[in-house]
Amino acid sequence: NAGVTQTPKFQVLKTGQSMTLQCAQDMNHNSMYWYRQDPGMGLRLIYYSASEGTTDKGEVPNGYNVSRLNKREFSLRLESAAPSQTSVYFCASSELRTYYGYTFGSGTRLTVV
Amino acid sequence: QQQVKQSPQSLIVQKGGISIINCAYENTAFDYFPWYQQFPGKGPALLIAIRPDVSEKKEGRFTISFNKSAKQFSLHIMDSQPGDSATYFCAASQTGTASKLTFGTGTRLQVTL
Repeated sequence: NAGVTQTPKFQVLKTGQSMTLQCAQDMNHNSMYWYRQDPGMGLRLIYYSASEGTTDKGEVPNGYNVSRLNKREFSLRLESAAPSQTSVYFCASSELRTYYGYTFGSGTRLTVV
Repeated sequence: QQQVKQSPQSLIVQKGGISIINCAYENTAFDYFPWYQQFPGKGPALLIAIRPDVSEKKEGRFTISFNKSAKQFSLHIMDSQPGDSATYFCAASQTGTASKLTFGTGTRLQVTL
């Protein structure tokens, strides 16, 4: 009964380094999302994947790339990390209609120094 | 461009009191309005949701009130308990093939003894 699993839970990067945040869901959901959470700014959508094989930009996509590897997995990549990308990143999944709500992972706390 | 405005930013309520959090939206195409509850170190979790064809929805001590003409909705927590202390996010979306949620900025609720 894992739901949405994110790895790693914590990460410190130096400016310019790259990394990939991993997300996997076991609920057979079609749609997956990446949000970032910053104090006073709520949750902002970075990228989403409505279904396997599709990805689209959200509100704040600059500096990020995503891959929908299969129906279960959706990864977020930072090619050249910047201090402005210091944040808590959440992955979520849902059915195509959100009447059933999103299921969120427990987050990745990323610090870029 | 903040499509969902949430207030207050923080709220302190005594045990047994009523907590009220308000949200306003701009996009009249939104047709799904959930509230999420987030405890420290955890991902947000769906608390309660409403669609615009009803003006109120109640689940236990939690009630959503919805005013379509004013484009506002609010969360009322009756008989607030210390265990309700968390951050609450309102959200809105337009259903479709990719029902992306737009979140408010969050309200940090503290329920005191």
